[in-house]
Amino acid sequence: DIQMTQSPSSLSASVGDRVTITCRASQSISSYLNWYQQKPGKAPKLLIYAASSLQSGVPSRFSGSGSGTDFTLTVSSLQPEDFASYYCQQSYSTPWTFGQGTKVEIK
Amino acid sequence: QVQLQESGPGLVKPSETLSLTCSVSGGSISSYYWTWIRQPAGEGLEWIGHIYTTGSTNYNPSLKSRVTMSIDTSKNQFSLKLTSVTAADTAVYYCARTSAGAGLLYWFDPWGQGTLVTVSS
Repeated sequence: DIQMTQSPSSLSASVGDRVTITCRASQSISSYLNWYQQKPGKAPKLLIYAASSLQSGVPSRFSGSGSGTDFTLTVSSLQPEDFASYYCQQSYSTPWTFGQGTKVEIK
Repeated sequence: QVQLQESGPGLVKPSETLSLTCSVSGGSISSYYWTWIRQPAGEGLEWIGHIYTTGSTNYNPSLKSRVTMSIDTSKNQFSLKLTSVTAADTAVYYCARTSAGAGLLYWFDPWGQGTLVTVSS
């Protein structure tokens, strides 16, 4: 199985901060990487697919980059509604796997 | 706008079979993969497997011996059965539509709201 490792596991940030979350794959996965946002008690929501493509309706302050084994999700200016958990997911090979998640909390 | 809704018992006894159904509304179930994902409380997400509208399946090897998925295109529904459950199977279970992009790209969108299944006697 391909292991997906996110860092940090949690972070505290303020409204307006630039936030970056990293996802590392245990082997090269090209650009077959997606990002999801999950709020407490809710289902995950797709933010980014193919490493850098913004899902329709997702604010442009979210962006993704990377290829191979190293990927990043960036929020350019954190808004109150962005406090949530974020997960990366690879589809390079089954079983499709997720990172352990990064919880973004209010400082 | 496509919406998914999970349904099924919220409580299952150990050693019994967990059965869930996902109903798809607002669009056709045809020509997509349909996925089950679970999340134990306070933990991360685990891909259980998916089924295509033809009925072909792909299961997580960690669960493969206990999982069966099926699809009913006439009802716009697909289902999950997980046999011989234990407390470790207690989780929120989500269904999701899986879209395919170029090459090996697959992503989950939208998701159902999730249903909590507790395994306990």
